[in-house]
Amino acid sequence: GESVGLHLPTLSVQEGDNSIINCAYSNSASDYFIWYKQESGKGPQFIIDIRSNMDKRQGQRVTVLLNKTVKHLSLQIAATQPGDSAVYFCAENWGGSSASKIIFGSGTRLSIRP
Amino acid sequence: EPEVTQTPSHQVTQMGQEVILRCVPISNHLYFYWYRQILGQKVEFLVSFYNNEISEKSEIFDDQFSVERPDGSNFTLKIRSTKLEDSAMYFCASSEVGVSYGYTFGSGTRLTVV
Repeated sequence: GESVGLHLPTLSVQEGDNSIINCAYSNSASDYFIWYKQESGKGPQFIIDIRSNMDKRQGQRVTVLLNKTVKHLSLQIAATQPGDSAVYFCAENWGGSSASKIIFGSGTRLSIRP
Repeated sequence: EPEVTQTPSHQVTQMGQEVILRCVPISNHLYFYWYRQILGQKVEFLVSFYNNEISEKSEIFDDQFSVERPDGSNFTLKIRSTKLEDSAMYFCASSEVGVSYGYTFGSGTRLTVV
């Protein structure tokens, strides 16, 4: 069915360490994936995306890995900072209309220990 | 940086009343969306809009919901007769070329139905 799920609802990391947030998706037809960050009281903020013809994409301090064999997506945040505290959502999309919807997963809350 | 603007930030309404949530998408964007997020839950797709018509809508978007782009800048979501379960954060989003590059979300309108 249509579902995007996350392995862990919460993640606590030491400031300066790397964070890894995982996501499983179930729709093998999905061909576009996005990670969003949502801070308290704000809307989702685009972090990084990846298409299904890639298995890795890097941004500034963030890396997204895609494993299509096991339908798994991860977000790696290097040198985690207090400002990284937020809920992180993975989201997926599958082809068709350019206005086609993005389906969100249930979110992982990332908290940073000083 | 261009942003999606939503008003009001918080709306309290009585059950059965009509509400209109307003959004000003980014000026050169062509695709518009409404999502909602019930407290503590994931972000859910409601509707997408392109070329002055609905492209896709979810099961949530029943006859009580409607969208409109009354002029060249605003994009509105109307709920005709609100129910308690309509209480949620409602996010407007827009994109330039459809789902590619993700969407830009507004900060949301918190709707409370009493």
